[in-house]
Amino acid sequence: SAVISQKPSRDICQRGTSLTIQCQVDSQVTMMFWYRQQPGQSLTLIATANQGSEATYESGFVIDKFPISRPNLTFSTLTVSNMSPEDSSIYLCSVWGYNEQFFGPGTRLTVL
Amino acid sequence: KQEVTQIPAALSVPEGENLVLNCSFTDSAIYNLQWFRQDPGKGLTSLLLIQSSQREQTSGRLNASLDKSSGRSTLYIAASQPGDSATYLCAVPYYGNNRLAFGKGNQVVVIP
Repeated sequence: SAVISQKPSRDICQRGTSLTIQCQVDSQVTMMFWYRQQPGQSLTLIATANQGSEATYESGFVIDKFPISRPNLTFSTLTVSNMSPEDSSIYLCSVWGYNEQFFGPGTRLTVL
Repeated sequence: KQEVTQIPAALSVPEGENLVLNCSFTDSAIYNLQWFRQDPGKGLTSLLLIQSSQREQTSGRLNASLDKSSGRSTLYIAASQPGDSATYLCAVPYYGNNRLAFGKGNQVVVIP
């Protein structure tokens, strides 16, 4: 299995600011994924991050709002830009390996 | 796009009872189906992965069945314990093998 860590585990931010979330995997992976879970809702895929190329965003998500970096095969960042209270969610990083999906512990973001 | 529904949304059972959690999905052309557990405010823990060629998968007190043709999966938890209290999420891939569509979850409370 893959072991995934995320930083920060939680944060409280002011409206209009940005937060960068880090995701570290203990093995090299081709694809990393970023999901969002709004309160009371299911997980929704934001984007897929491949090393060496632009991230692929799902419908409803744009690069200006959620810029993603993927500098190597074990690391990725997701930035939540110009935050509003609607961005309050749990953000989860995941990887595909051994024919199944593994998830990080999540970053709980509250925007005031 | 794949739509995933989980019923019931929430349930409470006395300790020792068996749990039956249902998941349905709209597109039966899936590679696999995965059940996760999520504790409040936390990330996801993979419980069981069923390949499309399998009809069921077992791990300890957990058993998951898959009826691909009817678009359904059921997670059985035998002899429930208070530690089983959590939200259980069902997920299936869409647009390939590694983007996941999630249901909203079955929120379970096991009463001592």
